[in-house]
Amino acid sequence: DADVTQTPRNRITKTGKRIMLECSQTKGHDRMYWYRQDPGLGLRLIYYSFDVKDINKGEISDGYSVSRQAQAKFSLSLESAIPNQTALYFCATSAGQGSRQPQHFGDGTRLSIL
Amino acid sequence: AQSVTQPDIHITVSEGASLELRCNYSYGATPYLFWYVQSPGQGLQLLLKYFSGDTLVQGIKGFEAEFKRSQSSFNLRKPSVHWSDAAEYFCAVGSFTGGGNKLTFGTGTQLKVEL
Repeated sequence: DADVTQTPRNRITKTGKRIMLECSQTKGHDRMYWYRQDPGLGLRLIYYSFDVKDINKGEISDGYSVSRQAQAKFSLSLESAIPNQTALYFCATSAGQGSRQPQHFGDGTRLSIL
Repeated sequence: AQSVTQPDIHITVSEGASLELRCNYSYGATPYLFWYVQSPGQGLQLLLKYFSGDTLVQGIKGFEAEFKRSQSSFNLRKPSVHWSDAAEYFCAVGSFTGGGNKLTFGTGTQLKVEL
């Protein structure tokens, strides 16, 4: 079983709909992250959480919200989806202190908004 | 703020040839540097990381990278490329913020391997 699991893997929806992407992990890591990937832009950080009570905005948080329901679960919501939020979304986790710990990624959710 | 530049968007090499993927970073302190690989339909897999010490680091799948502070570079190399190495490669720099790590990624280099 994957250590970082994202659901759904693919989603097609319409403009204006509310969408939730879910991430769960079995690695026991405290830190979790949400990124979006767009062709030619690499990965950009949306939100990150260092523990259950700590949520922080990344560089592109507008239009998104998150919920850290438990250490192992971190959900990303699009309150009212718009077409330019069509992208590949990744969840990642890391352990320990500081930036020495590498991040471990899920397989991604491909989201298309019509 | 930190940044990462991968100047080559696409690279094509023949199977068996050597490979070098370029990465330049901008960061005010000692950088923590990573290379990740993304195969189609997959997430990112860590190839190798540099924190300190020996500037030549070895990774998985026969990859290595060399940290050159004077050039602000962390180029990825492989002596002999295999067809299965075709993928997208991302360089990233880590920063320490409020007790945890944040990664800034480059825009990626797509590697094509010709048989």
